[in-house]
Order: sequence, then structure tokens, then C-alpha cells
Amino acid sequence: DQQVKQNSPSLSVQEGRISILNCDYTNSMFDYFLWYKKYPAEGPTFLISISSIKDKNEDGRFTVFLNKSAKHLSLHIVPSQPGDSAVYFCAATWAGSYQLTFGKGTKLSVIP
Amino acid sequence: DTAVSQTPKYLVTQMGNDKSIKCEQNLGHDTMYWYKQDSKKFLKIMFSYNNKELIINETVPNRFSPKSPDKAHLNLHINSLELGDSAVYFCASRAGGRGTEAFFGQGTRLTVV
Repeated sequence: DQQVKQNSPSLSVQEGRISILNCDYTNSMFDYFLWYKKYPAEGPTFLISISSIKDKNEDGRFTVFLNKSAKHLSLHIVPSQPGDSAVYFCAATWAGSYQLTFGKGTKLSVIP
Repeated sequence: DTAVSQTPKYLVTQMGNDKSIKCEQNLGHDTMYWYKQDSKKFLKIMFSYNNKELIINETVPNRFSPKSPDKAHLNLHINSLELGDSAVYFCASRAGGRGTEAFFGQGTRLTVV
């Protein structure tokens, strides 16, 4: 039973355009969400997070939006760069939990 | 200086063997994890330790046994390896259990032949 779902296994975007990666969750207890980026043969690295008390968090070219009523979050990358090509994982947890649940990931390819 | 380090990075072994993967973190974190990424690329939690105490133990065969000698180390021992154990295993650490990000090691690619 997947509690965190990333329904698009892959996404191709032209350099300079916006990349939008989506994530849905089913567990209403989740109140903290994270995005990780993973290059081949490396471990995932933390990118950006958002708490459920917010609906948006921005860090440079990366913005995460949270829609609690829809149990949906998205990661926007603007402008996309070839170095952004990687697998992006959505993860979720809640206060008091040691669980950190990941989605299956979306492979982003940014075409020069 | 690597924050979370795992050894070895690659491990090729025969069915039936016993092997260990070591993990060390120098971040001073209380919580450590083992995740498995299988051929479907799904990152699935296996175990979590907090201050050397096992707090998460997902449905994992008994052949897998984590050991935490101290807060900075969490090793994974696997007995009687099977073909289906082939995967990438990631160690991670986190400050406490709430509202913080986890830091991952580089992964150990285990291939059972």
C-alpha cells in the first residue's frame, strides 16, 4: 500500500523551461514533506521541504507547493538546467514519527 | 568529510553466503535507517534505530539483522543471501525523528549470483 505516490515515472523538459513534479499522499497524518534529488550511483540528497502549516516554500529555483485538501504537493524548478537531470523523490512524515516514507521517484531529463 | 558513509560501495557474492554492510555517520544524529531500493526503484524502509534502540522494523526476512554498536554506527548483516536480495541498500541518519531531513549514504549495490 503506497502512501506516497509519484505517478509519473519520467519527465522531459527543455532547458530554461519550468519542470513540475507531482506527488500525492494518502495518509492524513503526514504533516511534513520533503523532496530529494538522486543522481546515478549516489545517495539521495535533500532538496527542499514544507510543513503542513504552509502551502508554499521557496528556495532559489525550487518551489514546493502543498495542497492539503487534495493531499497533493508539487515541486517546481524554474528555470530548469541540464544539471537538474536526476531522479526526484517525494517523502513524507509526521510529528512524533520516525517513519520517512518515499514515493517511487520521477526521472527528470532536462534537454539542452 | 563524508557525513554518512557506507562500506562497501559494491558487493558481489554467491547465494548462501553471509555478508555485512557498515554505516557510520559523523553528524551527531540520534536516528539511523536502512533503506532498500530494489529493481523497481522503490525506496523502502527496512529498519530504524534511535539512540541504539530499534524503533522501526518493517516486514523484512529474519535473515536481515541490524546492529547498532553506538549512536554513530548502524550495520546490516545478511545471512544466507538469496538472489532476491540483490538491490541497492542505503543507510541514512536524521536528527531526532521529527521535522528534519535525513542524510543518505552513497549506497551499497549488492549483487547475489
